[in-house]
This record gives sequence, C-alpha cells and structure tokens, in this order.
Amino acid sequence: AQSVTQPDIHITVSEGASLELRCNYSYGATPYLFWYVQSPGQGLQLLLKYFSGDTLVQGIKGFEAEFKRSQSSFNLRKPSVHWSDAAEYFCAVGAPGNEKLTFGTGTRLTIIP
Amino acid sequence: DSGVTQTPKHLITATGQRVTLRCSPRSGDLSVYWYQQSLDQGLQFLIQYYNGEERAKGNILERFSAQQFPDLHSELNLSSLELGDSALYFCASSVGGAGREGKLFFGSGTQLSVL
Repeated sequence: AQSVTQPDIHITVSEGASLELRCNYSYGATPYLFWYVQSPGQGLQLLLKYFSGDTLVQGIKGFEAEFKRSQSSFNLRKPSVHWSDAAEYFCAVGAPGNEKLTFGTGTRLTIIP
Repeated sequence: DSGVTQTPKHLITATGQRVTLRCSPRSGDLSVYWYQQSLDQGLQFLIQYYNGEERAKGNILERFSAQQFPDLHSELNLSSLELGDSALYFCASSVGGAGREGKLFFGSGTQLSVL
C-alpha cells in the first residue's frame, strides 16, 4: 500500500527566506507525486505533480519539487516566501491504475515579517 | 474557484441523526471523490465514483454511503452520527481517475459538527 510521511507538522519562516517542506513516500514502483496547498477556509489546490521524466518539477506560485528515488522523497521548495504563502501544504502519492490519492498529514506554514 | 460546489458549507446536528452532503463536480469531470479531514486523522479518502459507478473505496464506515447520479452530482449520506464524525468533508472531481489524471479539483468543503 502507498503511504506518505510529512515529518514537519509546523514550520515558521521569515518573509523572503527560502523554504523546504519535506515529504517521504512509500510505494513499490515509481509513484505519482503531488503537492497541494490549502488556504484557510478553502479546499486544496494543486501546486505541482510528478509523473515521470525530469525529476525537478516546476509548479504554480514559484514552487518547485525534486523527486529523489534513492531517498524516497519529494521535497517542496521555494527560494523566497511571501506572506501569502502561509497555508497548509499536503504531499500526496498516487499510482498508475490506482484511483485514489493518499495524502500526508500536512505541514502548516507560518510566515513572520 | 475550483468549479466544484459543495452544499451546505456548515451543518450542525445531534448524535444519532442522519445528514446528506451534496457535491456538484466541475463541468465535464466524471470522477467524484469524498475525503474526510479531521485534526487527528488528517485527510482520509472515503470513496470514489466514476460516471455513476463506485470505483474505489477507502476508510468509509458502514454508517456512511454515497452515490453519484446520472447528472454526475454526488451525495454522501452519514447516518447514526457520532461525536467523532465531526469533521470537514471534501468533495473533489477529476476528468478521469486520480491514478491517470492526478489532478483533483477540490470543493471548499462541508464542516459537520455533531453535538
């Protein structure tokens, strides 16, 4: 069965600083990997996804993520965060032929001035 | 705006009662997913329908049931409600299955409070 671990429950970053959110997955083959963002009172919005090919994927809002098979990781990065990036971030894993996405428990991002 | 509509936005009810949550997917999307989000369990997949048929089942209790109608809207029925059922229930839709498409469009959720 597929699973996702987000080891950081809460991260606080200064505005303008760089950001890295960690995600580790468990799946027997090459998974499909996703990052979603949830703003307060809103549903989840897809930031980026990895299916195959280039292991560095670019997403919306200036985010990127790198798939590292050797580390079973798919960490989310942003070089300079903005106050509007404060939200909850979810990593998710899917698989070919599998109809559901399995989500991690989320990382809450707080931005300080 | 994701294009997925969920009603009602908030629902307050008592233990033992039954409620129905409604979801209208994005135009053209055939798949509808239901997720439950709670503080202790995170985001849990409940069930998926594709073009009217149940396609995948997750951690859905026997007290819960769902269906997708010919016009593709879906309803999640929760019965014999318990305090622990209090959660945010999300509906999401996609063109095909998540395994192929990957991109889910989420509604803004229904906040259920069982008192």
